[in-house]
This record gives sequence, structure tokens and C-alpha cells, in this order.
Amino acid sequence: GEDVEQSLFLSVREGDSSVINCTYTDSSSTYLYWYKQEPGAGLQLLTYIFSNMDMKQDQRLTVLLNKKDKHLSLRIADTQTGDSAIYFCAESPLSGGYNKLIFGAGTRLAVHP
Amino acid sequence: SAVISQKPSRDICQRGTSLTIQCQVDSQVTMMFWYRQQPGQSLTLIATANQGSEATYESGFVIDKFPISRPNLTFSTLTVSNMSPEDSSIYLCSVVSRQGVPRDEQYFGPGTRLTVT
Repeated sequence: GEDVEQSLFLSVREGDSSVINCTYTDSSSTYLYWYKQEPGAGLQLLTYIFSNMDMKQDQRLTVLLNKKDKHLSLRIADTQTGDSAIYFCAESPLSGGYNKLIFGAGTRLAVHP
Repeated sequence: SAVISQKPSRDICQRGTSLTIQCQVDSQVTMMFWYRQQPGQSLTLIATANQGSEATYESGFVIDKFPISRPNLTFSTLTVSNMSPEDSSIYLCSVVSRQGVPRDEQYFGPGTRLTVT
């Protein structure tokens, strides 16, 4: 089946690291994505990881993938107030031709001083 | 990257009426999709808009309720028919520029916020 789960809320202090976790079910997914949605805005692709990778780093963002456990995480270093948003994990299963995205419910990140 | 615009950006409609949402892309794309984001929920794929043929609907969505058109490679419409308050959602258009290449980024439009009273 296709299912992506995330915790719904995370609160961190400005300057700390944030870690958002996600589990997915479809092992055929070749790519896994993190999207960001700011209030009143559409979705912005933050980063993605290919399924044969364990880790991908992109500036302040680090994605870790445990394919055996089907667990994905997004770490944001030095979290800023501008990082406050909803973060969606998404998988792209083979059954959807890799273009159909299955989203998690989203994790609302709140950054406080 | 593709730039996507949607019209209207928001609307308040009465139950029983229909609303057509437009999605315009600034470049030709191979695939266009329509998603729904219900309040506090994640995004759910409604259908894939196919150019020149009927859209491909996901389980739980039907053409009579959500008719879709895609007359060319840069434009699509989604109609929400015979609306009820349960249809209150954000409707998002997304595109992929190259079909069959897994890694391609899906670009999302800003969404149309629909409230049905």
C-alpha cells in the first residue's frame, strides 16, 4: 500500500537544529522528497534523495534515508524564523510511474526565539 | 523551472454551484496534475490531466464531480461540480516537464482556496 506518515508538529528554538521524521511504505519509490509550504503559498521542493543513497547534504539541509526501515528524515541546521512552515515528505512509487507523489500529512515547524 | 499561475486564487461559493479553476504554465509540459489539500490535511492527487484525452482519476474521484480539461501543453482546468461544504479545500495544479524521468521536480502552483457555504 501507499502511505506516508509524519509527526504533525515540531517546535524548536532559533539557532537549534530541527529534525523532521517520515516513514513510508512503498519500497519501489526511487526518489523521496521534502517539500516546504509557507503560509498562503504553494509547495516548494526543498530537496530529494535517490533511494540508493543514505545521506544527502545541501547547505543547511541534511537528508538521511534508512531504506531498510523505510525511514526518512530532514535535518535543518541553525534553524531560523524563516524556516517556520509546513514540511511535507513525499514518495514517488513505481505504480504511479514515478510522477505520482504520495504526501505525508505534513509537519508544522514553529521556530521561537 | 516552470512558473504556474492559477485562477482564481480564492473563492467563496454556494453549495450546489460549480467552480472552474484554471492552471496556466509558462512553458510546455508533458504532465499536469490536480491535487486537493483539505484543511489541515495533506495533498491528495485527484487526477492526471491528459492532453487531448480524458483525465486519469485516482480512486475516490470521478469525472462527473471533477471534470478536467487539458486542451494544450500549457493549460488545464479543473471544475468542482455541485459543490458541498466538504469540497472546501485548496486545489493545486502541478506539472512535470519531462515524462518518465523519475527525478524530475514537480512544480506546484500557488493553489486556489475554495470555501463552500
